[in-house]
Amino acid sequence: AQSVSQHNHHVILSEAASLELGCNYSYGGTVNLFWYVQYPGQHLQLLLKYFSGDPLVKGIKGFEAEFIKSKFSFNLRKPSVQWSDTAEYFCAVNAEQKLVFGTGTRLLVSP
Amino acid sequence: GAVVSQHPSRVICKSGTSVKIECRSLDFQATTMFWYRQFPKKSLMLMATSNEGSKATYEQGVEKDKFLINHASLTLSTLTVTSAHPEDSSFYICSARGGQGFGYTFGSGTRLTVV
Repeated sequence: AQSVSQHNHHVILSEAASLELGCNYSYGGTVNLFWYVQYPGQHLQLLLKYFSGDPLVKGIKGFEAEFIKSKFSFNLRKPSVQWSDTAEYFCAVNAEQKLVFGTGTRLLVSP
Repeated sequence: GAVVSQHPSRVICKSGTSVKIECRSLDFQATTMFWYRQFPKKSLMLMATSNEGSKATYEQGVEKDKFLINHASLTLSTLTVTSAHPEDSSFYICSARGGQGFGYTFGSGTRLTVV
C-alpha cells in the first residue's frame, strides 16, 4: 500500500525566512501529488498539485513544489514566509483511486 | 469552483446513540466520495471510499458495521456512527471527487464529541 512521509512535524520560522517541507512517498506506479493547507479553524485547501509535465509546480500564495521521481519526493517550498502562512501542511498522494495523506507539518511563523 | 458542504459542523451525542453526518457536493456530481478521520495532532486517516450506487470500500481496521456509509445519489454521501463511544470522538472530514478536471474538494469537517 502507498504511504506518505513528512519528516518535519513542527517547524518554526521567522517572517521572511525560506521554507522547505519534505514529503516522500512509497508507490512504484503513476501517482498524482498534492499539498494541502489547513489554517487554524478552517478546512483543507489545495495549495498545488502535480499530475504530469513540468516537475516544478507553482501553487497559490507563492508556494511551489518539485517532483523528483528518482527520490520519490515532492517537497514544498516558499522563498519568504509570512505570518499568515501559519498553518498545518499536508502532503498527499493519489494512487489506486485513493488519496493518502502524510502526517502533516505544523508551521508557525513568528512576526 | 467545486464546493462540498458537510453538516453538522459540530455534534455532541451520548454514548450508545447514533449520529449521521452528511456530505453534499453543491455544484457538481461526485462519483466518488471519501471519508476521513483526523485525530488531534495527527494526519487524516482514510476510513472508506463510497461510490454512488454501490457499497463503500472500507480501509483495513475500520469497522463497517460501526461506520455506515451511504452514497445514494451523485451529490450526497452520509456517514453514520452507530452506537457511538467516547473513543469515536474525533474530527470527520469528507471529500468528493468530480466536477471540472481531476481534483478533490473537502468539506469543512464535523467535530464529533461523544459523552
